[in-house]
Amino acid sequence: EDQVTQSPEALRLQEGESSSLNCSYTVSGLRGLFWYRQDPGKGPEFLFTLYSAGEEKEKERLKATLTKKESFLHITAPKPEDSATYLCAVRGATNKLIFGTGTLLAVQP
Amino acid sequence: GAVVSQHPSWVICKSGTSVKIECRSLDFQATTMFWYRQFPKQSLMLMATSNEGSKATYEQGVEKDKFLINHASLTLSTLTVTSAHPEDSSFYICSARDHGQGLAGGSFTLYEQYFGPGTRLTVT
Repeated sequence: EDQVTQSPEALRLQEGESSSLNCSYTVSGLRGLFWYRQDPGKGPEFLFTLYSAGEEKEKERLKATLTKKESFLHITAPKPEDSATYLCAVRGATNKLIFGTGTLLAVQP
Repeated sequence: GAVVSQHPSWVICKSGTSVKIECRSLDFQATTMFWYRQFPKQSLMLMATSNEGSKATYEQGVEKDKFLINHASLTLSTLTVTSAHPEDSSFYICSARDHGQGLAGGSFTLYEQYFGPGTRLTVT
């Protein structure tokens, strides 16, 4: 059964304090690992898709990396506006997105 | 990125009535759309997958007669919650899949999946 586990559940950072969020996964026939950002009361906003181990993608202060067992979302020098829930999801042979429970990130000024 | 809209953004209805939620892909054609449900502080749970012009495929435990899905065009899918009850109160989110470039030599097509802003349903 495809499964996604995210850690930590919640993370509080000071502005400028870099850190990483973890997404561990098991999936049959990986067809993509996805990162989304979700603000309260909003739908998920697409950030990245990674398809194979070793792949990396960057967008502003965010960088996503992928291995065969996990993905990291690195946040460099975060700002308060980076505060949100970050969701990780995988798509496997079933072609369905399976989501983790997310990491709630709070960046304090 | 691709834009997906939902309407309404929030709705309050009385128990026993039906509510329709619309999902539109604004700048791309979506042959496949998805409906998710999210409870407070929980992740997204897939309810059903719909392909344009065919019947939706429901996930285990989701009542197809209660959650009617219609995907009549490449840009519009609707979810109707019939005879709504308070336990149906939730945040409903649709998603549409865009087709990207094909993977050379591969057996599947690379594509992204974009989400709408969600609809907050409250049944009183």
